[in-house]
Amino acid sequence: AQSVTQLDSQVPVFEEAPVELRCNYSSSVSVYLFWYVQYPNQGLQLLLKYLSGSTLVKGINGFEAEFNKSQTSFHLRKPSVHISDTAEYFCAVNGQNFVFGPGTRLSVLP
Amino acid sequence: EAGVVQSPRYKIIEKKQPVAFWCNPISGHNTLYWYRQNLGQGPELLIRYENEEAVDDSQLPKDRFSAERLKGVDSTLKIQPAELGDSAVYLCASSFGGRAYEQYFGPGTRLTVT
Repeated sequence: AQSVTQLDSQVPVFEEAPVELRCNYSSSVSVYLFWYVQYPNQGLQLLLKYLSGSTLVKGINGFEAEFNKSQTSFHLRKPSVHISDTAEYFCAVNGQNFVFGPGTRLSVLP
Repeated sequence: EAGVVQSPRYKIIEKKQPVAFWCNPISGHNTLYWYRQNLGQGPELLIRYENEEAVDDSQLPKDRFSAERLKGVDSTLKIQPAELGDSAVYLCASSFGGRAYEQYFGPGTRLTVT
């Protein structure tokens, strides 16, 4: 069975500070990894995905994530956040089936 | 390009009543997903279709939930009878198919069962 863990349910951070949202997964088969964002009162949209190749993946809005196979992690990072980045972020794994993590609520403070 | 369309956006019903949700995926997407998202949680897959075939419905509570995807395009998810615990947002998503393709999500239907 697959599982996704997002260790931080809430992350408050000041504007222009860096942020890292953590994601760990477990799977018995090879996986594809995704980060989705859900802005308030909006649908889920893809931030970035890792399929193969370079372990550092760049996405939209200045976000990037690094795949670490040995640690089964796929942490999301942004060097400088904006107020508009306030949203719920979901890590997802597609192996035997598609599984979402519980989400991390990022709150960017002025 | 039109996105995934869902209706209704909101639905309030009393327990034991039936309810249905409709989804129209992006044109050309042969894979369609239904998810349930409880407050403060990630989406949970209910059923996945490849064209008309339900290929993964292991998480669908089959005693009260049913789904169909006639002609491999639109899909309907039904609950009968609804229970208080069914209150959630029901999301529909579509993709080209295959594990590597991203899913495109609709805005969801917020169901409240009273």
